[in-house]
Amino acid sequence: DIQMTQSPSTLSASVGDRVTITCRASQSIGSWLAWYQEKPGKAPKPLISDASILESGVPSRFSGSGSGTDFTLTISSLQPDDFATYYCQQYNSYSRTFGQGTKVEIK
Amino acid sequence: EVQLVESGGGLVQPGGSLRLSCAASGFTFSSHSMNWVRQVPGEGLDWVSYISGSGSTVYYADSVKGRFTISRDNAKNSLYLHMNNLRAEDTAVYYCAREPPWAATAYFDYWGQGSPVTVSS
Repeated sequence: DIQMTQSPSTLSASVGDRVTITCRASQSIGSWLAWYQEKPGKAPKPLISDASILESGVPSRFSGSGSGTDFTLTISSLQPDDFATYYCQQYNSYSRTFGQGTKVEIK
Repeated sequence: EVQLVESGGGLVQPGGSLRLSCAASGFTFSSHSMNWVRQVPGEGLDWVSYISGSGSTVYYADSVKGRFTISRDNAKNSLYLHMNNLRAEDTAVYYCAREPPWAATAYFDYWGQGSPVTVSS
């Protein structure tokens, strides 16, 4: 199975900061990677698919990049609504594995 | 409007069985592969199972293989997860999640709100 490793596990940042979360796959997954945002008590919300395609309605401060095994999610200027947990997910193989999550906290 | 509504969760004893359902509306159900994902409260997301739009192809996580069965009824716009021989470690909120149509890509573009399952004596 393909393993997904996110870093950091927790990130403390302030409103207006540029934030970068990384995700590494245990083998090449091409561009078959998505990013999700999760808030307490709510279902995960897709932000980015196919490594860099922004979902409709998602603010342009979110962006994704990478291919192969290394990927990043960047928030260009952190807003109060962005404090949440973020997950990457690969869908190159039959098992749609998730990373362990990155919690973005208020500094 | 796309809607996915899970039901069937609850409290069950270890070794017991449960069937989760996911009622879909607002889209052509048979055109979409579907998945079950679970999350232990306070922990990460854990993919459980996949089924193709026709139901002919299914996949399972190793942790549930042989105990869980995914199925769908396209005439009823419904997805199911039959869970047998349940263990304490199966305790989680279970989400159904949709993939975009015709396997163009395979991320999860819509999710239900989840159905909690507790396995305890």
